[in-house]
Amino acid sequence: DQQVKQNSPSLSVQEGRISILNCDYTNSMFDYFLWYKKYPAEGPTFLISISSIKDKNEDGRFTVFLNKSAKHLSLHIVPSQPGDSAVYFCAASAKTGTASKLTFGTGTRLQVTL
Amino acid sequence: DGGITQSPKYLFRKEGQNVTLSCEQNLNHDAMYWYRQDPGQGLRLIYYSQIVNDFQKGDIAEGYSVSREKKESFPLTVTSAQKNPTAFYLCASTPRRTVTTNEKLFFGSGTQLSVL
Repeated sequence: DQQVKQNSPSLSVQEGRISILNCDYTNSMFDYFLWYKKYPAEGPTFLISISSIKDKNEDGRFTVFLNKSAKHLSLHIVPSQPGDSAVYFCAASAKTGTASKLTFGTGTRLQVTL
Repeated sequence: DGGITQSPKYLFRKEGQNVTLSCEQNLNHDAMYWYRQDPGQGLRLIYYSQIVNDFQKGDIAEGYSVSREKKESFPLTVTSAQKNPTAFYLCASTPRRTVTTNEKLFFGSGTQLSVL
């Protein structure tokens, strides 16, 4: 059962435009959400996160929006740059005691074209 | 430079063979993790360790084994019992043994394992 879903496997956006990556989740116990960026043959790197008590978090060109009632979050990249081309993973975390056990989505491959 | 080093980058396994993937970190992090990534799937947790000489099974531990004899090292052995070992394996760490839910993972660059 996929508790974190990224329904769009790929997305193509022109340079300078907005990229919107979506993520849906089913587990209401998730209380923290993170986005990771991954280049081919490399490990993911942390991009931005949001607590479930907030509905928006902004960091430079990256903004994450959380809609708890819809169990939906999105990552906005404005303006998109060619270096943003990568696979983006949404991840969610719930209190499990003592360990960080993130649940990851399947990823969305973003291609930023010139 | 502090970081997580995984080796080798590419590894080939013959049928019935055990192989070991190396993961070393010099971040002085307490907790370490192994994830597996398959094409079109998210990362899935294999094993994790919060302290030396202790480790816990993740969601897909069958066919794998780990050890944590040193804080810096968390090797993963893919045994012959793992019937579908071809995947991209990622090692990660977090600073503290006991983490809050907002603790972000630091990842290594991964090992691609393929079966001959």
